[in-house]
Amino acid sequence: YMLTQPPSVSVAPGKTATITCGGNNIGRKSVYWYQQRPGLAPILVIYYDSDRPSGIPERFSGSNSGNTATLTISRVDAEDEADYYCQVWDNIDDHWVFGGGTKLTVL
Amino acid sequence: EQLVESGGGLVKPGGSLRLSCAASGFPFSSYTMHWVRQAPGKGLQWVSSINTGSTYIYYADSVKGRFTISRDNTKNSLHLQMNSLRVEDTALYYCARDRRASELPLDDAFDVWGQGTTVTVSS
Repeated sequence: YMLTQPPSVSVAPGKTATITCGGNNIGRKSVYWYQQRPGLAPILVIYYDSDRPSGIPERFSGSNSGNTATLTISRVDAEDEADYYCQVWDNIDDHWVFGGGTKLTVL
Repeated sequence: EQLVESGGGLVKPGGSLRLSCAASGFPFSSYTMHWVRQAPGKGLQWVSSINTGSTYIYYADSVKGRFTISRDNTKNSLHLQMNSLRVEDTALYYCARDRRASELPLDDAFDVWGQGTTVTVSS
């Protein structure tokens, strides 16, 4: 199973960033999103497609349907600049799969 | 809740290395655990997972037959024995925890991560 993410997304401060994660019928799977700032370990920002862990701002939201899952970050600020990865469980091969990652640049 | 990896280092191709991950602040024996790696400048790559009782163990195709995951619930520790190492195994290796406690592996997120230990395979 493969997940496809755009390598980069750029957004101006205060605007909304949208990061996609494509996969065959990904809408039938649970999708997880991680944020990784330079030099740091990943942080879970969305689980079960759209749930936020405690401590993650409401500006972070997720959706999943068809062949695309989406991470949306509203009112983007400089601290959101990071790499973002989507993840799913491939229950055919019993493997975890990560997308290639998207570098979010705040202009 | 903390995970601390150790055991990384420089090793020649074909060599072996054993990584460890020390867990604290949570009931380690109740959680499925994982190893995830990140090659320099690259993305995250899942390596292996093990459930609480070591009855469900999974490996990425790229490491199957060369790496062995194990855990010691009495010592709150996770391990990754890496044999027949290749240059392409060079990476920062993270251990991570399932978000929810369960005896069986779950389709759920990894919510606690260590800071990683670096493995360099080079002649």
